[in-house]
Amino acid sequence: DVKVTQSSRYLVKRTGEKVFLECVQDMDHENMFWYRQDPGLGLRLIYFSYDVKMKEKGDIPEGYSVSREKKERFSLILESASTNQTSMYLCASSPPRGHEQYFGPGTRLTVT
Amino acid sequence: AQTVTQSQPEMSVQEAETVTLSCTYDTSENNYYLFWYKQPPSRQMILVIRQEAYKQQNATENRFSVNFQKAAKSFSLKISDSQLGDTAMYFCAFYTGANSKLTFGKGITLSVRP
Repeated sequence: DVKVTQSSRYLVKRTGEKVFLECVQDMDHENMFWYRQDPGLGLRLIYFSYDVKMKEKGDIPEGYSVSREKKERFSLILESASTNQTSMYLCASSPPRGHEQYFGPGTRLTVT
Repeated sequence: AQTVTQSQPEMSVQEAETVTLSCTYDTSENNYYLFWYKQPPSRQMILVIRQEAYKQQNATENRFSVNFQKAAKSFSLKISDSQLGDTAMYFCAFYTGANSKLTFGKGITLSVRP
């Protein structure tokens, strides 16, 4: 079975802090994705990556950056956290030309 | 641009009854895939069922089936013999190779009543 793990289930940070959210998958998938999930808005794509050191902006990249130094790991970085980044963050992975995505358990981030 | 619309924010169904969740989408592509994902409370999102647009036959997975109407761009999920464990948020999603991204609807919260 595909396993996607995220470093924290719950995280509380202060405004202005630099925040790292880590995601690891164990199925050698090329593609990895970061979403945020907000009530009434569904899932919105922040960034995705098709390969190591490659990244593409999604629909809402402002205020975020990503890093993919190793194939299995995809990090989401909030350079200076703000209260409007309080949300649930979901990581996903998929094989090349794969249509289905496999999701991690999510990180609920609160910025105070 | 592709869009996915789930117009019902929430639904409720009695245990053992059948419920249908609706989804419509908009695209100019001819080859694409459609999915229903399930997100139980505080648990991981999992794939429920998928449908390839080139297949006329509706997909079925045990108690879950879809009604895929390509011309109408409609993709509804039917859950038969609803169980308490079906209580979850359900997302309809669309994939096309043109941008290799999943586009999600806003989701619907389904509650199964005992």
